[in-house]
Amino acid sequence: NAGVTQTPKFRILKIGQSMTLQCTQDMNHNYMYWYRQDPGMGLKLIYYSVGAGITDKGEVPNGYNVSRSTTEDFPLRLELAAPSQTSVYFCASSYPTSGYTFGSGTRLTVV
Amino acid sequence: KNQVEQSPQSLIILEGKNCTLQCNYTVSPFSNLRWYKQDTGRGPVSLTIMTFSENTKSNGRYTATLDADTKQSSLHITASQLSDSASYICVVSVGFNDMRFGAGTRLTVKP
Repeated sequence: NAGVTQTPKFRILKIGQSMTLQCTQDMNHNYMYWYRQDPGMGLKLIYYSVGAGITDKGEVPNGYNVSRSTTEDFPLRLELAAPSQTSVYFCASSYPTSGYTFGSGTRLTVV
Repeated sequence: KNQVEQSPQSLIILEGKNCTLQCNYTVSPFSNLRWYKQDTGRGPVSLTIMTFSENTKSNGRYTATLDADTKQSSLHITASQLSDSASYICVVSVGFNDMRFGAGTRLTVKP
């Protein structure tokens, strides 16, 4: 049982480049989330999904897009990377009233 | 001002000693309060979940308390071990898509 798997673990992007952060879970959780964690700050919600085909914005969605074509996968897309998007990104999944299971994170640096 | 404030920001203790981490919040009402442990380079892992009506919840050497009247929670770690070195994050849940994260307390346990 792998839980929540994120790839890649590390990535360096140049300003203006695009990339997709992958997230997959094998627990059949309905809910999935993307957070970013900046130094000295609490996690901030970027986007979330309550099921396949349904996504919604969180607190800090600008500069990101998501899709949820299957229950298992919830990729996060950065279209035009900016230095402000340098952060550690965490994907999580849950049942509606359960605790979250987090992935191990993707450390992204935009230069 | 963050709605979930944790103190201290960092803490160093000797192996075998006890410690208490604090969480003050202004979020109200809320459905539950959670404590997570985050090892360096990993995603947060749930330690305890308490509803607003619960006063205490234990998980091995970890005991969380909640005072909904004063809007304070604490996490007490007994007989610390080197593996307890991590960040501990307090999270107040308003709804499934509205989780307010504290910035965390960085605990270092030294031999």
